[in-house]
Amino acid sequence: RKEVEQDPGPFNVPEGATVAFNCTYSNSASQSFFWYRQDCRKEPKLLMSVYSSGNEDGRFTAQLNRASQYISLLIRDSKLSDSATYLCVVNPSNSGYALNFGKGTSLLVTP
Amino acid sequence: DAGITQSPRHKVTETGTPVTLRCHQTENHRYMYWYRQDPGHGLRLIHYSYGVKDTDKGEVSDGYSVSRSKTEDFLLTLESATSSQTSVYFCAISQQGNNYEQYFGPGTRLTVT
Repeated sequence: RKEVEQDPGPFNVPEGATVAFNCTYSNSASQSFFWYRQDCRKEPKLLMSVYSSGNEDGRFTAQLNRASQYISLLIRDSKLSDSATYLCVVNPSNSGYALNFGKGTSLLVTP
Repeated sequence: DAGITQSPRHKVTETGTPVTLRCHQTENHRYMYWYRQDPGHGLRLIHYSYGVKDTDKGEVSDGYSVSRSKTEDFLLTLESATSSQTSVYFCAISQQGNNYEQYFGPGTRLTVT
């Protein structure tokens, strides 16, 4: 079983739509969680950290369910510029050793 | 944006030649990482460093070596490049605060012919 699993998509949605991505992780001891965004042929960029209580940043909302080992990202009022690949990322230990990356979910927002 | 640069940004080399990629940071972060990204595999850790002269292997370290003689520089060497090492290589940095979230350099696109 892979450490971090995501639906690869692609998700094709019209502008203004709400879209949700899900991610599951296998290590129940995982300490911290993130969503990264990666544009085509570019480096991954941190979108937001995910906190136990859930957190929101503008149109983006992240949720964590430790019991189900499940992370979600909700994007409201999608923009064309949201088109990218979204990576679910998990730190399995409270250290700087390594992060476990999902393979990403592709989003295409269309006019 | 975090101050991370990678050089070269693009390189084409022949099988069997040595190649060194450089990652340079201006953030004074303790941890540095080298990843490769290939279609169907996502990001895979090659090596990482937790301080000057302190390095360790990641999940795909065979055929690669690293060195970190200064906080700001982390070098990745392919001793004898093979076609299977054709990939995009990303360097990343992190610090203990903020749960070790990582910041990535712009990447190096390496082609081994």
